[in-house]
Amino acid sequence: QQQVKQSPQSLIVQKGGISIINCAYENTAFDYFPWYQQFPGKGPALLIAIRPDVSEKKEGRFTISFNKSAKQFSLHIMDSQPGDSATYFCAASKSGGSNYKLTFGKGTLLTVNP
Amino acid sequence: DAGVTQSPTHLIKTRGQQVTLRCSPKSGHDTVSWYQQALGQGPQFIFQYYEEEERQRGNFPDRFSGHQFPNYSSELNVNALLLGDSALYLCASSRPTRVAKNIQYFGAGTRLSVL
Repeated sequence: QQQVKQSPQSLIVQKGGISIINCAYENTAFDYFPWYQQFPGKGPALLIAIRPDVSEKKEGRFTISFNKSAKQFSLHIMDSQPGDSATYFCAASKSGGSNYKLTFGKGTLLTVNP
Repeated sequence: DAGVTQSPTHLIKTRGQQVTLRCSPKSGHDTVSWYQQALGQGPQFIFQYYEEEERQRGNFPDRFSGHQFPNYSSELNVNALLLGDSALYLCASSRPTRVAKNIQYFGAGTRLSVL
């Protein structure tokens, strides 16, 4: 059972464009939604995260939009740059008790063309 | 401030062998989680250690075991290796607080190849 579904699988964007990656979750107990960026040969690096008490969070060129009723959240990368080319993973977890494990989507390979 | 460090970087084993992977958490972190990342997939949770005990476990067989030491470092052991165990093994550390319960920082991983 895939609890976090991520789309698209791959994405090609021109430099300066907007990259949008979407995720949907099933478990309504999830209350923490991070996005990770992973370059080849490296571990995932935390990019930005949101909790369900807000509908949007912005950090620089990166914005998370969150729709609790639809159980969906998305990552928007404004003014995309070639250096943003990487694999992006959404994840979710629940903080009740000791349930801190992250459940990841399958990832989106982003290519930003110069 | 050193981040999460893992060793070795790469490892090649044959079927049936046993392997031990090591992880040192980020300074100040007391919780270590292990994930398996198959090629082209997202990381899958194996287990989490806190206060030297396994606190939570994912859907992995008993061939996968772990340990946490008093200095919070951790080991992942895999026995009777199968070809399907070939993957990137990631260690993540965290220090759950009331505000930052779930923030996990990952190491660069150990690439395990089983031949």
